[in-house]
Amino acid sequence: GDSVTQMEGPVTLSEEAFLTINCTYTATGYPSLFWYVQYPGEGLQLLLKATKADDKGSNKGFEATYRKETTSFHLEKGSVQVSDSAVYFCALNTIIQGAQKLVFGQGTRLTINP
Amino acid sequence: DTEVTQTPKHLVMGMTNKKSLKCEQHMGHRAMYWYKQKAKKPPELMFVYSYEKLSINESVPSRFSPECPNSSLLNLHLHALQPEDSALYLCASSPRDSEVTDTQYFGPGTRLTVL
Repeated sequence: GDSVTQMEGPVTLSEEAFLTINCTYTATGYPSLFWYVQYPGEGLQLLLKATKADDKGSNKGFEATYRKETTSFHLEKGSVQVSDSAVYFCALNTIIQGAQKLVFGQGTRLTINP
Repeated sequence: DTEVTQTPKHLVMGMTNKKSLKCEQHMGHRAMYWYKQKAKKPPELMFVYSYEKLSINESVPSRFSPECPNSSLLNLHLHALQPEDSALYLCASSPRDSEVTDTQYFGPGTRLTVL
Protein backbone atom coordinates (compact mmCIF):
# COMPACT_ATOMS: atom_id res chain seq x y z
CA GLY A 1 0.00 0.00 0.00
CA ASP A 2 0.90 3.67 -0.14
CA SER A 3 3.30 4.88 2.54
CA VAL A 4 5.36 7.89 3.65
CA THR A 5 8.72 7.78 5.40
CA GLN A 6 10.04 10.82 7.22
CA MET A 7 13.41 11.41 8.77
CA GLU A 8 13.28 10.56 12.41
CA GLY A 9 13.52 13.25 15.00
CA PRO A 10 13.71 14.99 17.18
CA VAL A 11 15.65 17.68 15.35
CA THR A 12 17.22 20.52 17.33
CA LEU A 13 18.71 23.57 15.60
CA SER A 14 19.85 27.03 16.51
CA GLU A 15 17.97 30.08 15.30
CA GLU A 16 18.87 31.10 11.72
CA ALA A 17 20.15 27.62 10.85
CA PHE A 18 19.23 25.85 7.59
CA LEU A 19 16.53 23.20 7.89
CA THR A 20 15.96 20.06 5.87
CA ILE A 21 13.42 17.39 6.82
CA ASN A 22 13.53 14.42 4.47
CA CYS A 23 10.37 12.76 3.20
CA THR A 24 10.04 9.90 0.72
CA TYR A 25 6.93 8.13 -0.42
CA THR A 26 5.69 4.96 -2.05
CA ALA A 27 2.50 5.19 -4.06
CA THR A 28 0.64 3.76 -6.98
CA GLY A 29 -0.96 6.35 -9.19
CA TYR A 30 -0.36 10.08 -8.87
CA PRO A 31 -0.75 11.31 -5.31
CA SER A 32 -0.67 14.90 -4.14
CA LEU A 33 1.92 15.65 -1.46
CA PHE A 34 1.54 17.81 1.63
CA TRP A 35 3.43 19.16 4.60
CA TYR A 36 1.33 19.84 7.69
CA VAL A 37 2.57 21.49 10.89
CA GLN A 38 1.22 20.89 14.39
CA TYR A 39 1.98 23.32 17.19
CA PRO A 40 1.65 22.09 20.79
CA GLY A 41 -1.95 21.52 21.81
CA GLU A 42 -3.33 22.35 18.36
CA GLY A 43 -4.67 20.66 15.26
CA LEU A 44 -2.82 20.28 11.96
CA GLN A 45 -2.27 23.28 9.72
CA LEU A 46 -1.44 23.01 6.06
CA LEU A 47 2.06 24.35 5.47
CA LEU A 48 2.39 23.68 1.75
CA LYS A 49 1.39 21.26 -0.98
CA ALA A 50 2.29 20.10 -4.49
CA THR A 51 -0.05 18.26 -6.78
CA LYS A 52 2.17 17.07 -9.62
CA ALA A 53 5.76 16.22 -10.45
CA ASP A 54 8.23 19.13 -10.36
CA ASP A 55 5.73 21.41 -8.59
CA LYS A 56 7.24 23.46 -5.79
CA GLY A 57 5.10 24.30 -2.79
CA SER A 58 6.11 27.27 -0.63
CA ASN A 59 4.81 29.16 2.38
CA LYS A 60 6.32 31.23 5.23
CA GLY A 61 9.85 30.63 3.91
CA PHE A 62 9.40 26.85 3.71
CA GLU A 63 9.73 25.06 0.37
CA ALA A 64 9.36 21.52 -0.95
CA THR A 65 9.57 20.15 -4.50
CA TYR A 66 7.64 17.10 -5.72
CA ARG A 67 10.38 14.84 -7.16
CA LYS A 68 8.83 11.87 -8.95
CA GLU A 69 12.18 10.39 -10.00
CA THR A 70 13.35 10.11 -6.39
CA THR A 71 9.84 9.82 -4.87
CA SER A 72 10.71 12.60 -2.46
CA PHE A 73 9.22 15.79 -1.03
CA HIS A 74 11.88 17.19 1.29
CA LEU A 75 11.03 20.26 3.39
CA GLU A 76 13.57 23.11 3.52
CA LYS A 77 13.89 26.53 5.11
CA GLY A 78 16.86 28.80 4.80
CA SER A 79 16.75 30.42 8.24
CA VAL A 80 14.62 28.97 11.02
CA GLN A 81 13.07 30.90 13.90
CA VAL A 82 12.12 29.88 17.44
CA SER A 83 8.48 30.13 16.36
CA ASP A 84 9.05 27.28 13.86
CA SER A 85 9.31 24.82 16.76
CA ALA A 86 6.56 22.26 16.11
CA VAL A 87 5.88 18.78 14.75
CA TYR A 88 5.99 18.47 10.95
CA PHE A 89 4.08 15.77 9.07
CA CYS A 90 4.65 14.79 5.47
CA ALA A 91 1.58 13.24 3.84
CA LEU A 92 0.29 11.98 0.53
CA ASN A 93 -3.32 12.09 -0.60
CA THR A 94 -4.70 9.12 -2.43
CA ILE A 95 -8.17 7.87 -3.38
CA ILE A 96 -9.50 4.71 -1.76
CA GLN A 97 -13.08 3.48 -2.18
CA GLY A 98 -13.95 6.75 -3.90
CA ALA A 99 -12.80 8.92 -0.99
CA GLN A 100 -9.65 10.81 -0.11
CA LYS A 101 -7.25 9.22 2.30
CA LEU A 102 -4.28 11.07 3.74
CA VAL A 103 -1.34 8.81 4.47
CA PHE A 104 0.99 10.42 7.02
CA GLY A 105 4.63 9.98 7.88
CA GLN A 106 5.52 9.49 11.52
CA GLY A 107 6.19 13.19 12.12
CA THR A 108 9.37 15.08 12.93
CA ARG A 109 9.59 17.13 16.10
CA LEU A 110 11.60 20.30 15.50
CA THR A 111 13.00 22.46 18.29
CA ILE A 112 14.71 25.77 17.54
CA ASN A 113 16.88 27.25 20.28
CA PRO A 114 17.50 31.01 20.47
CA ASP B 1 -12.09 31.48 5.66
CA THR B 2 -10.71 27.96 6.09
CA GLU B 3 -11.93 27.31 9.61
CA VAL B 4 -13.12 24.05 11.06
CA THR B 5 -14.40 24.35 14.61
CA GLN B 6 -14.62 21.59 17.20
CA THR B 7 -16.31 21.45 20.59
CA PRO B 8 -15.57 20.79 23.33
CA LYS B 9 -11.86 21.53 23.49
CA HIS B 10 -11.37 19.12 26.37
CA LEU B 11 -13.54 16.25 27.60
CA VAL B 12 -13.14 13.93 30.54
CA MET B 13 -15.53 11.00 30.76
CA GLY B 14 -16.00 7.78 32.65
CA MET B 15 -16.26 4.42 30.94
CA THR B 16 -20.04 4.29 31.44
CA ASN B 17 -20.75 7.81 30.15
CA LYS B 18 -22.25 8.84 26.83
CA LYS B 19 -20.87 11.99 25.27
CA SER B 20 -20.62 13.60 21.84
CA LEU B 21 -17.99 15.53 19.94
CA LYS B 22 -19.08 18.20 17.50
CA CYS B 23 -17.43 19.54 14.35
CA GLU B 24 -18.60 22.37 12.08
CA GLN B 25 -17.44 23.93 8.84
CA HIS B 26 -19.07 26.66 6.79
CA MET B 27 -16.86 26.46 3.72
CA GLY B 28 -19.34 24.45 1.66
CA HIS B 29 -17.09 21.40 1.81
CA ARG B 30 -18.74 18.12 0.84
CA ALA B 31 -16.42 15.67 2.59
CA MET B 32 -15.74 15.48 6.33
CA TYR B 33 -13.41 13.27 8.33
CA TRP B 34 -12.75 12.03 11.86
CA TYR B 35 -9.20 11.20 12.91
CA LYS B 36 -7.74 9.89 16.16
CA GLN B 37 -4.27 11.01 17.22
CA LYS B 38 -2.34 9.40 20.06
CA ALA B 39 0.60 11.20 21.63
CA LYS B 40 3.67 11.46 19.40
CA LYS B 41 1.91 9.67 16.55
CA PRO B 42 0.37 10.83 13.27
CA PRO B 43 -3.41 11.07 12.92
CA GLU B 44 -5.24 7.85 12.06
CA LEU B 45 -8.32 8.01 9.87
CA MET B 46 -11.53 6.74 11.53
CA PHE B 47 -14.45 7.78 9.31
CA VAL B 48 -15.13 9.62 6.05
CA TYR B 49 -18.45 11.26 5.16
CA SER B 50 -19.08 12.17 1.57
CA TYR B 51 -22.14 14.26 0.74
CA GLU B 52 -23.52 13.43 4.19
CA LYS B 53 -23.21 9.68 3.68
CA LEU B 54 -20.71 7.46 5.46
CA SER B 55 -18.26 6.28 2.81
CA ILE B 56 -15.37 4.88 4.85
CA ASN B 57 -15.28 3.23 8.29
CA GLU B 58 -11.73 2.15 9.09
CA SER B 59 -12.87 -0.79 11.22
CA VAL B 60 -13.57 1.47 14.17
CA PRO B 61 -15.19 -0.17 17.25
CA SER B 62 -18.94 0.38 17.56
CA ARG B 63 -18.49 2.38 20.77
CA PHE B 64 -17.69 5.24 18.34
CA SER B 65 -20.74 6.26 16.33
CA PRO B 66 -20.47 9.01 13.71
CA GLU B 67 -23.34 11.14 12.48
CA CYS B 68 -23.63 13.79 9.77
CA PRO B 69 -26.93 15.67 10.30
CA ASN B 70 -26.21 18.13 7.47
CA SER B 71 -23.43 19.18 5.16
CA SER B 72 -21.88 21.55 7.72
CA LEU B 73 -22.01 19.43 10.84
CA LEU B 74 -20.33 16.21 11.92
CA ASN B 75 -20.79 14.51 15.28
CA LEU B 76 -18.99 11.64 16.97
CA HIS B 77 -21.05 9.88 19.64
CA LEU B 78 -19.09 8.10 22.34
CA HIS B 79 -20.35 5.31 24.57
CA ALA B 80 -18.67 2.80 26.87
CA LEU B 81 -15.19 3.95 25.96
CA GLN B 82 -12.00 2.43 27.32
CA PRO B 83 -9.02 4.27 28.82
CA GLU B 84 -6.99 3.43 25.69
CA ASP B 85 -9.43 5.58 23.70
CA SER B 86 -7.94 8.66 25.34
CA ALA B 87 -6.49 10.74 22.51
CA LEU B 88 -6.84 13.92 20.48
CA TYR B 89 -9.80 13.63 18.11
CA LEU B 90 -9.44 15.71 14.99
CA CYS B 91 -12.09 16.67 12.48
CA ALA B 92 -11.23 17.71 8.93
CA SER B 93 -13.07 18.76 5.80
CA SER B 94 -12.27 19.02 2.09
CA PRO B 95 -14.08 20.66 -0.82
CA ARG B 96 -14.77 17.39 -2.64
CA ASP B 97 -14.66 13.72 -1.81
CA SER B 98 -12.61 12.06 -4.53
CA GLU B 99 -10.25 14.77 -5.79
CA VAL B 100 -6.67 13.91 -4.88
CA THR B 101 -5.46 17.52 -5.23
CA ASP B 102 -7.85 18.79 -2.55
CA THR B 103 -6.56 19.99 0.81
CA GLN B 104 -8.03 18.65 4.02
CA TYR B 105 -8.51 21.43 6.59
CA PHE B 106 -8.26 20.37 10.20
CA GLY B 107 -9.96 21.65 13.31
CA PRO B 108 -8.12 22.25 16.60
CA GLY B 109 -9.23 18.91 18.03
CA THR B 110 -10.93 17.64 21.17
CA ARG B 111 -8.61 16.26 23.86
CA LEU B 112 -10.47 13.25 25.30
CA THR B 113 -9.56 11.56 28.55
CA VAL B 114 -11.36 8.36 29.56
CA LEU B 115 -11.12 7.47 33.23
